[in-house]
Amino acid sequence: EAGVAQSPRYKIIEKRQSVAFWCNPISGHATLYWYQQILGQGPKLLIQFQNNGVVDDSQLPKDRFSAERLKGVDSTLKIQPAKLEDSAVYLCASSPQGDTEAFFGQGTRLTVV
Amino acid sequence: GIQVEQSPPDLILQEGANSTLRCNFSDSVNNLQWFHQNPWGQLINLFYIPSGTKQNGRLSATTVATERYSLLYISSSQTTDSGVYFCTLNSGGSNYKLTFGKGTLLTVNP
Repeated sequence: EAGVAQSPRYKIIEKRQSVAFWCNPISGHATLYWYQQILGQGPKLLIQFQNNGVVDDSQLPKDRFSAERLKGVDSTLKIQPAKLEDSAVYLCASSPQGDTEAFFGQGTRLTVV
Repeated sequence: GIQVEQSPPDLILQEGANSTLRCNFSDSVNNLQWFHQNPWGQLINLFYIPSGTKQNGRLSATTVATERYSLLYISSSQTTDSGVYFCTLNSGGSNYKLTFGKGTLLTVNP
């Protein structure tokens, strides 16, 4: 069974530029999460989808971050414009339903210079 | 929201030693998972254990949901066990938010 796929693995951009991350969850998984992990800290939930609907985006900085989940499958997370403090690893996870076992992708390491 | 506390925050072991990591939580949970984050940042599923005891090789976990804690046991530790161990919980409700503890940083020295 294929795992959660994320791309790119690494990205370096200058501040004020835009960037997008892509996530392909495990087939059939209804719940998709995006987390931000700053170095030395635990992951922080940015947004949670159930199928193609947003369940929780309370910690998403909506002035610069946006996310969508097309047709309830793939998802993209965008940052525009990026700030230095956005440097982090962005993790995508999926689960069959919200209260079942979740699986994580390898993450995208973003460096904003 | 639900509070997740992990202890100890840091742990240094000699190869071959045993260890116990603890996760306390503040509310009833629908599920509990233990992850190992390796030095490359990958979160690896160790256990999905809302209650009871499970074992996988040198690792085992126990969750006592009524007393709101879970334990992760590592026996005969190896250098490859190094990394951060996270406890995550889903507290149910309408959105099944997955909440992370702050993690335990384990260093196993040869």
